[in-house]
Amino acid sequence: QKEVEQDPGPLSVPEGAIVSLNCTYSNSAFQYFMWYRQYSRKGPELLMYTYSSGNKEDGRFTAQVDKSSKYISLFIRDSQPSDSATYLCVLGGTDKLIFGTGTRLQVFP
Amino acid sequence: GAVVSQHPSWVICKSGTSVKIECRSLDFQATTMFWYRQFPKQSLMLMATSNEGSKATYEQGVEKDKFLINHASLTLSTLTVTSAHPEDSSFYICSAARDSNQPQHFGDGTRLSIL
Repeated sequence: QKEVEQDPGPLSVPEGAIVSLNCTYSNSAFQYFMWYRQYSRKGPELLMYTYSSGNKEDGRFTAQVDKSSKYISLFIRDSQPSDSATYLCVLGGTDKLIFGTGTRLQVFP
Repeated sequence: GAVVSQHPSWVICKSGTSVKIECRSLDFQATTMFWYRQFPKQSLMLMATSNEGSKATYEQGVEKDKFLINHASLTLSTLTVTSAHPEDSSFYICSAARDSNQPQHFGDGTRLSIL
């Protein structure tokens, strides 16, 4: 079993839609959870970083962590074409970061 | 804040040459820097972790004599691909963290093409 599972997509939505991106993990030792956005041929950009279960909001982005279910989500409200990118969930707290495979999101006008 | 600059962004060179890639944290001091490799449509693969002033820790299967890492200061790490061959062609990305419990901030990557 992989340490983290993430649907690779692609996920295609119309502009303005609410997007839900998810990851599940198996190791309860993970202590912090991140979402990165990666545009083509660029390095990942940190979007959200959280330690605890619950929700964390930043503008149009909301990160949700459920440690009991080992499930993390990123919601994007009012999605824009500029949100089209690959979104990586990243888990930390063990000896190294564990990366999801990334979900490719396409927001069409 | 937390800007990481990586240079060069793209390099093409002949087989057998050595290539040096620089990674700088511009507005913070990075105790730890990381080097990743990414193949098309795949996630990042950690190659090595470097702490300022000490030898890098390489992941299993990564040749330390092939990929030389130097982390001489709290703001600069370099990766040198020695005697590069076409199979070394890839996208190399560095990241930097203030410490091991802080999130990593990534550079924009270096596209290396070996002819």
